[in-house]
Amino acid sequence: EPEVTQTPSHQVTQMGQEVILRCVPISNHLYFYWYRQILGQKVEFLVSFYNNEISEKSEIFDDQFSVERPDGSNFTLKIRSTKLEDSAMYFCASRTEYEQYFGPGTRLTVT
Amino acid sequence: EDQVTQSPEALRLQEGESSSLNCSYTVSGLRGLFWYRQDPGKGPEFLFTLYSAGEEKEKERLKATLTKKESFLHITAPKPEDSATYLCAARGGANNLFFGTGTRLTVIP
Repeated sequence: EPEVTQTPSHQVTQMGQEVILRCVPISNHLYFYWYRQILGQKVEFLVSFYNNEISEKSEIFDDQFSVERPDGSNFTLKIRSTKLEDSAMYFCASRTEYEQYFGPGTRLTVT
Repeated sequence: EDQVTQSPEALRLQEGESSSLNCSYTVSGLRGLFWYRQDPGKGPEFLFTLYSAGEEKEKERLKATLTKKESFLHITAPKPEDSATYLCAARGGANNLFFGTGTRLTVIP
C-alpha cells in the first residue's frame, strides 16, 4: 500500500542552526502539506503546496520556513534558524480529492 | 473563525463496551470532515472522510456519521487494540485541514 515517508525520524539540533526535513509523498498525489504537532497539543497546519508553488500558509509559516520540491519525488521543509519553540513533531501529508494521508513524522528537538 | 471541538477529552471503556466520540465543527463551506487515529509518537492514520449530512461510513468496529453541526465516531464492542487518540479534522474554504484536540480512548481488557 502506498504511503508517505519521512526522514529523519528524529533530528536534534542546536538553536540557530538550519534543519531540512524530508518527505516522499504518495506518487500520484498532487497536493502536499506540512503540519506540526507540539507535544500534547493539536495538529497545526503550516503550508500547502500545489503545482510547484505554495498555495496556502499559516501564520506559523514565517520567513524562517521554506518548502521545496527539488525533484519529482521529494518534498522538503527547511527551517533556517531554529528556535526552542520549533521543537515538535513535523508531519508531511499528501492527498487525493477525497483522502489525505500523513507520514510517520519527524521529531525535531531544538536544544 | 473555523473551529473543531472534540469531546470527551479522554474516555475509558471496558472491552466490549460500545460508545461514541463527538466532533462539533463550525466551518464555513465544509468540504470534508475527516477522522484519524493517532498512536503515541506516530502520524495520524486516515480512517474516514464524510462530505454531506446524513452520510455514514464504516470500517470494522468503527462507524462515522455526519450532521450539519457534528460528527460522531461510534465504536462498537471495542478491543484493547482500539486504544489510541482519535482526531477529527475539517476542510473548509481553505485547502488545509483544521484539527480538534482529539479524544484519547483507552479500552481495558
